Amino acid sequence: NAGVTQTPKFQVLKTGQSMTLQCAQDMNHNSMYWYRQDPGMGLRLIYYSASEGTTDKGEVPNGYNVSRLNKREFSLRLESAAPSQTSVYFCASWRARRTDTQYFGPGTRLTVL
Amino acid sequence: AQTVTQSQPEMSVQEAETVTLSCTYDTSESDYYLFWYKQPPSRQMILVIRQEAYKQQNATENRFSVNFQKAAKSFSLKISDSQLGDAAMYFCAYRSAGGNQFYFGTGTSLTVIP
Repeated sequence: NAGVTQTPKFQVLKTGQSMTLQCAQDMNHNSMYWYRQDPGMGLRLIYYSASEGTTDKGEVPNGYNVSRLNKREFSLRLESAAPSQTSVYFCASWRARRTDTQYFGPGTRLTVL
Repeated sequence: AQTVTQSQPEMSVQEAETVTLSCTYDTSESDYYLFWYKQPPSRQMILVIRQEAYKQQNATENRFSVNFQKAAKSFSLKISDSQLGDAAMYFCAYRSAGGNQFYFGTGTSLTVIP
């Protein structure tokens, strides 16, 4: 039981390049999330998927797209990376039961030059 | 969107002493959940403790306890007998009982002094 996995762990991009961050969970959770973490800003929600087949914008969706490929996988795509997207990205999942918490992946540190 | 405020960007505590981290939140809901997460230098987010708003009793997990003041919309974390391994960033989070979004504060960086 690996929990929530993310790939890659580190990535350096040049401005304008594209990339996809991958996330998978093996806990049969319904909901999945993408956050970015910046110093002094806490975790800000980019997109989430409440259930398979649905996606919704969070607080900071501009410049990103997501795909809920199946119940296990939720990817985040940067079509044209900008230096403002330099951040640590976390994927999380939630079973969607009242008392449950989210479970987080290990994060991806992305640098855009 | 709900607002979660952590007004202490940094805190420090002597090893074996007690420290309290503050968190306030803004909501019009009556049924919700509150969480404290720990993020050590490894970046892995770890649940420390959770509180259900309809439970008046404060949650406790070993050396970690909360002071939940529903009327004041306050949810502080007390760490007793602080250990070097407690050094981390701590995040407070809120979720409405009927919602599927979690709202996070900006975090408090805790240093433990040997």
